[in-house]
Amino acid sequence: DVKVTQSSRYLVKRTGEKVFLECVQDMDHENMFWYRQDPGLGLRLIYFSYDVKMKEKGDIPEGYSVSREKKERFSLILESASTNQTSMYLCASKTGTGASMLFFGEGSRLTVL
Amino acid sequence: QKEVEQDPGPLSVPEGAIVSLNCTYSNSAFQYFMWYRQYSRKGPELLMYTYSSGNKEDGRFTAQVDKSSKYISLFIRDSQPSDSATYLCAMSSTTNAGKSTFGDGTTLTVKP
Repeated sequence: DVKVTQSSRYLVKRTGEKVFLECVQDMDHENMFWYRQDPGLGLRLIYFSYDVKMKEKGDIPEGYSVSREKKERFSLILESASTNQTSMYLCASKTGTGASMLFFGEGSRLTVL
Repeated sequence: QKEVEQDPGPLSVPEGAIVSLNCTYSNSAFQYFMWYRQYSRKGPELLMYTYSSGNKEDGRFTAQVDKSSKYISLFIRDSQPSDSATYLCAMSSTTNAGKSTFGDGTTLTVKP
């Protein structure tokens, strides 16, 4: 059974803290994505990676960075968390460079106080 | 204006009803059309995947794509309480590295 695993389901952090969200996939997919999901705004792409050590900015990269040191792992980093980064964060992966379906993790609900 | 607009809902129907969920889009380059289902506090899961125009059926679910009108629909027949979820349409093209553009989602409640 294919799987995308996000390390933390629920996190509570304070403003200014550094936050790491980790994602691991076991499908040998080349492409990995980080989205955030907010009511009324849908899914918005933060960053994506199409290969190890490669990354591309999505639609809302400000305040975030990513790391992909291994093919199966894609990390999202909030260098200095702010309250407006309170959100549901979703990791996804897919194979190939063409259009194909995404496999999502269960999500990480981050609250920044 | 958003590239993908989805009927906002929420939608509440009695068990057994036929449900129609709809999205429109503006980017004529989109070739791949997906519907994802997302249960509360879970990640989205792929429900239907179609390429170009036409219909695709899978059990109680039918996905319909009309590229000439830039309109896609998901029909659910004989809806069940277990169908209660948020449904997201998504679209992509090979010209954009396969990245998907999502609608905002429609929340469906099927009442027993």
